[in-house]
Amino acid sequence: DGGITQSPKYLFRKEGQNVTLSCEQNLNHDAMYWYRQDPGQGLRLIYYSQIVNDFQKGDIAEGYSVSREKKESFPLTVTSAQKNPTAFYLCASSIKSNYVYNEQFFGPGTRLTVL
Amino acid sequence: QKEVEQNSGPLSVPEGAIASLNCTYSDRVSQSFFWYRQYSGKSPELIMSIYSNGDKEDGRFTAQLNKASQYVSLLIRDSQPSDSATYLCAVLTGGFKTIFGAGTRLFVKA
Repeated sequence: DGGITQSPKYLFRKEGQNVTLSCEQNLNHDAMYWYRQDPGQGLRLIYYSQIVNDFQKGDIAEGYSVSREKKESFPLTVTSAQKNPTAFYLCASSIKSNYVYNEQFFGPGTRLTVL
Repeated sequence: QKEVEQNSGPLSVPEGAIASLNCTYSDRVSQSFFWYRQYSGKSPELIMSIYSNGDKEDGRFTAQLNKASQYVSLLIRDSQPSDSATYLCAVLTGGFKTIFGAGTRLFVKA
């Protein structure tokens, strides 16, 4: 069964704590992405990676970090520097063909709440 | 700043009617266009992709693209209450970055 998995589904963070959100895909997709969605708003790009061991900042990277040690995995760490981390976090992946990254497919999401 | 604009709605249509969702984009060299459906509390699900001018039909869904007007739309025929969701327009720009609109909320009344 191919797809994108995210864990945990719900996550609670205390003030000053770092937390890591997991994203795994078995679609053999080249690119992976992390988005943040706030209530009633669109998707904002945090980080993306086109190949292993390389990643780029998106529009709202401050307070977040990522790694891409394996093609299948793209974990996101929400650090204590992120002052307003309560949001719905979405991981996505896409395949590359003819030098273009095509449609993105999303995981089920992780809902992070700061206590 | 490259943008994708959608009317936030809500758009309310009766069951069985045609729902028309619209999207405009600013980057003239955009290549690919996508429509996603997002139910409340869930992640976006890809429902249509369109790459060239004209219409593309898939079941009850029709995507329409007009690159000259920088306009893409989604028509849902025979709307059902299960179609009630937020519909996100996404555009792959000339810079190979996908930009998402904020979405249009659709309500289909039984």
